[in-house]
Amino acid sequence: DVKVTQSSRYLVKRTGEKVFLECVQDMDHENMFWYRQDPGLGLRLIYFSYDVKMKEKGDIPEGYSVSREKKERFSLILESASTNQTSMYLCASSLQATVNTEAFFGQGTRLTVV
Amino acid sequence: EDQVTQSPEALRLQEGESSSLNCSYTVSGLRGLFWYRQDPGKGPEFLFTLYSAGEEKEKERLKATLTKKESFLHITAPKPEDSATYLCALHPRGSSNTGKLIFGQGTTLQVKP
Repeated sequence: DVKVTQSSRYLVKRTGEKVFLECVQDMDHENMFWYRQDPGLGLRLIYFSYDVKMKEKGDIPEGYSVSREKKERFSLILESASTNQTSMYLCASSLQATVNTEAFFGQGTRLTVV
Repeated sequence: EDQVTQSPEALRLQEGESSSLNCSYTVSGLRGLFWYRQDPGKGPEFLFTLYSAGEEKEKERLKATLTKKESFLHITAPKPEDSATYLCALHPRGSSNTGKLIFGQGTTLQVKP
């Protein structure tokens, strides 16, 4: 069974803290993604990576950075957490191919910044 | 511009009352169209991939179909456990191997016993 695992289901952090969200996939996928999901706004892409050490900005990268040192692991970093970053964060991975390119998601991390 | 629109935003059905969810899209070239199910507080769960117009996929009470402009998720005789948000996503040819998807806003389905 395919698996994308996010390190935490729930996190509570203080304003100004540096926050790390970790994601690991066991499917040998090249592509990895970080989304946030908010009511009424749907899924919004923060950053993605199509290879180790490669990253590209998504639609809402401000206030975030990412790291991909190994193929299976993709980390999202909130440099200085703010209350408007309270959200559900979703990691996903997919294969680089012409078919079977569906993305598989982790269980999500509900982050609350107080 | 590539985009995806899902309708309706919300749908309430009685158990056993069949219906369809719509995903309309505009895209310069389609590599794949995906359907996901998302339960509250969880990540989306992959359901189907459709590649070309005329294609159909089935799983239990769900059947997904694809035309050149839209996809339908048909739900036959739904049960309360089918209650969830259903997301449609496009993989445009323009996104090449990066796998970037365009998601619709989703349809929230509630099935009452």
